[in-house]
Amino acid sequence: GQQVMQIPQYQHVQEGEDFTTYCNSSTTLSNIQWYKQRPGGHPVFLIQLVKSGEVKKQKRLTFQFGEAKKNSSLHITATQTTDVGTYFCARTASKLTFGTGTRLQVTL
Amino acid sequence: DGGITQSPKYLFRKEGQNVTLSCEQNLNHDAMYWYRQDPGQGLRLIYYSQIVNDFQKGDIAEGYSVSREKKESFPLTVTSAQKNPTAFYLCASSMAPTTSSPLHFGNGTRLTVT
Repeated sequence: GQQVMQIPQYQHVQEGEDFTTYCNSSTTLSNIQWYKQRPGGHPVFLIQLVKSGEVKKQKRLTFQFGEAKKNSSLHITATQTTDVGTYFCARTASKLTFGTGTRLQVTL
Repeated sequence: DGGITQSPKYLFRKEGQNVTLSCEQNLNHDAMYWYRQDPGQGLRLIYYSQIVNDFQKGDIAEGYSVSREKKESFPLTVTSAQKNPTAFYLCASSMAPTTSSPLHFGNGTRLTVT
C-alpha cells in the first residue's frame, strides 16, 4: 500500500527543548490525522488537518499541513516529560494508513 | 462510559492453535478496525469493517479472519497459518465508514505464541 514516511524515527531531547516530526507522502493527501501513543498504551487521536496550508495549535503543539497536501508536521514547543511517546500521522482514504511513527524521549 | 473493550489484555498460546481476540464497542460506531503493532513499529491494518456483515482485508490479512455479525462486536481470529503471530493487537472504531472520522482505540491485547 501507499506508505507515509515519518522522520525522524527517534529523537531524544532535554526537557524544555523543541521537537518536530515530519510526515511525508508521495501522493496528495485528502486529510491527515495525528495520534500519540504513550509507552505501553494505545494511540490517542490528537487532531485532523483538512485544508492546504492549514495550521492548528493545541497549547504547546502546532500542526501544519503542507500547501501541496503531501506533507505535514507536528512541532512541540518546550517539551515536557509528559510529551514522551510515539507520534503517528495517518493518511485517510478508504482506510486509515499510519505512518512509521516518531518516538520521542524527553529527559530532565 | 462509552468505549472499546479488548480482552484479554495478555494472551499466551502454543504454536499451531487458533486464538480469538475479543473487541466490543458501545460507541454506536459503524466502522471497526484491527491493527497489529510489533515492537518499535507502526500500526499495520489487518481487517476493517464499515458495516455489519461486511468486512475488507487490510494490508496484512493473511493468517487472520474476522466476523462482524453485530455492530458492537468485531472479533479477530489468529489462525495457525499466521507465521509470526506474537504482537500487540489493537482494535479501533470510528463513527463513520469514511476515515475522516478519528479512530478510538481499545487498550490492546498482547499475544504471545510459543
